[in-house]
Amino acid sequence: RKEVEQDPGPFNVPEGATVAFNCTYSNSASQSFFWYRQDCRKEPKLLMSVYSSGNEDGRFTAQLNRASQYISLLIRDSKLSDSATYLCVVTNTNTGNQFYFGTGTSLTVIP
Amino acid sequence: DAGVTQSPTHLIKTRGQHVTLRCSPISGHKSVSWYQQVLGQGPQFIFQYYEKEERGRGNFPDRFSARQFPNYSSELNVNALLLGDSALYLCASSFDMTGELFFGEGSRLTVL
Repeated sequence: RKEVEQDPGPFNVPEGATVAFNCTYSNSASQSFFWYRQDCRKEPKLLMSVYSSGNEDGRFTAQLNRASQYISLLIRDSKLSDSATYLCVVTNTNTGNQFYFGTGTSLTVIP
Repeated sequence: DAGVTQSPTHLIKTRGQHVTLRCSPISGHKSVSWYQQVLGQGPQFIFQYYEKEERGRGNFPDRFSARQFPNYSSELNVNALLLGDSALYLCASSFDMTGELFFGEGSRLTVL
C-alpha cells in the first residue's frame, strides 16, 4: 500500500470556482503534513503546511483529520495562475525524515 | 541569495554507464535529500544526508549511492544505468533534518 494516495485528476475548473483536493496516508505515526505545488517541468515548492487545527492562507485552506488519516486542500476563487500539480506530502521522522509524496493532482483553471 | 543548485541540468547516458549528479544546498542548510521523479508520479525519496552522514535511505537498489561533503554539497551516483532510471532527479536542502524542503530545478537524466 502506498504511503500517500491522491486522486490524480485532472481537475479542469473555470476561473472563480472552488476546488477541493483530498489525500489519504497509511502510516498513523506520520507527524508532519504539507501541500507542495509543482508547475510543469519545474521543481516542487511548498504551498502550505497542514496543522491539526486547520489553517488558511488567503484563498487556500488546508485541513488534517488524524482519525481518518486524511488531508485536504481547498482553493477558493480559482485563478488561471493556480494551474499546476498539487502534491500531498507526509513525513515520519521515525524513518529518517522521509518526505512521502503523493502522485499529485493536476489542476487546470480555464478562462 | 542562491537557492539549491544542481548540475548538470540535462544529460543523456546509455545503459550500463555511470552518472554523477551534483547539488549545492542553500547557504546555512545542513541537510540534503535526493528524490527521483518519473513522469506522472510524485518524487520518491532516495537518500537524506545531514552533517555528512546518511540519515535515511529509500527503497532503491545498491546501484544508487550518495555522499555529502564538508561544505554540505552532495553527489548522487548511479551505477549500471537501466532504462528505468530515466527520470528527474531532485535535490532538496533543509536547515535541519525536519525542516521545510527547498528543491533545486533538478537534473533530467535520459538513459538510452
